[in-house]
Amino acid sequence: QEQLVESGGGVVQPGRSLRLSCAASGFAFSAYGMHWVRQAPGKGLEWVAAISNDGNNKYYADSVKGRFTISRDNSKNTLYLQMNSLRAEDTTVYYCAKDCYYDSSGYFDCWGQGTLVTVSS
Amino acid sequence: EIVMTQSPATLSVSPGERATLSCRASQSVSSKLAWYQQKPGQAPRLLIYGASTRATGIPARFSGSGSGTEFTLTISSLQSEDFVVYYCQQYSNWPRAFGQGTKLEIK
Repeated sequence: QEQLVESGGGVVQPGRSLRLSCAASGFAFSAYGMHWVRQAPGKGLEWVAAISNDGNNKYYADSVKGRFTISRDNSKNTLYLQMNSLRAEDTTVYYCAKDCYYDSSGYFDCWGQGTLVTVSS
Repeated sequence: EIVMTQSPATLSVSPGERATLSCRASQSVSSKLAWYQQKPGQAPRLLIYGASTRATGIPARFSGSGSGTEFTLTISSLQSEDFVVYYCQQYSNWPRAFGQGTKLEIK
């Protein structure tokens, strides 16, 4: 059974950094692209970033470009999101999601349960 | 950048009846359109991909149609568990984009 489990969320001050992790199991992690998607409390879904199966291709939303970095360690079946220069508007639940294709060109067929990041002084 | 617009924002329908949710793309996404269902406190779940193909385990009462810029999610014979929020998403272009969601409520 495919499973994604996020961790690393918490309360952080504006301007500080945080790294989220997403542990994958039940599928060949190294064969699929991966994404981060976020959702502010009571709001809709916002795509954040994507990475190809081999880590060579990365894509970002304009709202996080230059501040967030997506990466993966296929030996550990883990996806990461390094978030720097955090702002109040980054306060959301962050989901990792599995792409149906290796190059992140498809739909999201498996989602984690999410981890909450709160940016507050 | 492609903008996805869902309508209506809230749809009131009686149990057992049919619901029709709409999604419009600001430019053609061909058939690269997915629908997700999100229950309160849960992660989204894939319902439909390729505009009209049901994901594994999704009941036959869920169907999708459309191509290009106009898409529809139809839920026939609504069950109590269907009264939640639905999102469309295009995966044709970067950046990926979701609609703002349609909340299905009991009439």
